[in-house]
Amino acid sequence: QSVLTQPPSASGTPGQRVTISCSGTSSNIGNNYVYWYQQFPETAPKLLIYDNNQRPSGVPDRFSGSKSDTSASLAISGLRSEDEANYYCAAWDDSLSGGVFGGGTKLTV
Amino acid sequence: QVQLVQSGAEVKKPGTSVKVSCKASGYTFTHYVIHWVRQAPGQSLEWMGWINAGNGDKKFSQKFQDRVTITTDTSASIAYMELSSLRSEDSAVYYCSRNRPGSFELDYWGQGTLVIVSS
Repeated sequence: QSVLTQPPSASGTPGQRVTISCSGTSSNIGNNYVYWYQQFPETAPKLLIYDNNQRPSGVPDRFSGSKSDTSASLAISGLRSEDEANYYCAAWDDSLSGGVFGGGTKLTV
Repeated sequence: QVQLVQSGAEVKKPGTSVKVSCKASGYTFTHYVIHWVRQAPGQSLEWMGWINAGNGDKKFSQKFQDRVTITTDTSASIAYMELSSLRSEDSAVYYCSRNRPGSFELDYWGQGTLVIVSS
């Protein structure tokens, strides 16, 4: 069971906007930055969002992140078929003194 | 360009150890931290530990701290992760990744190393 809680699945049609939630506690999301990773089958995760809402170079601005208290969200607008992947949230956990991940959300377009 | 290239797949017997390597290139190895993250089949990502390639500081997940050893060879820009007392539940893809000290932003990842533990 993952420390951060995500819905196991999400879906949308091309062009739609979808959001994926990530719930934690004061020891992780509440007190630290949130990161989001995108992973396609049989490939390594890719950093999508860092420091709650920042996009690395090359990540389309269709992807956005937000955080409020002990929860965070990833929003994908103008959904495309190539966005179909697994999405994971992550944060540092001060109580565990380690990194924690969400269980992952499989996005179907 | 930044690259993390990991060693190849391994098949191990229960009770033995596995050592996975992660060769870094395209950046100053000692300026970053190397993390190890694993992913069992169909499961989420699981953080195992990190090593600061610059000063050798380490931190491990409580789940693995009795069985995992993380080291670096700074002359060759290689990080190693050794997991001992293997059991079937350790069958997973093991990834190395890097970040700057003080954050958990894993900006580059290795391609992953599949470890199968089977008798």
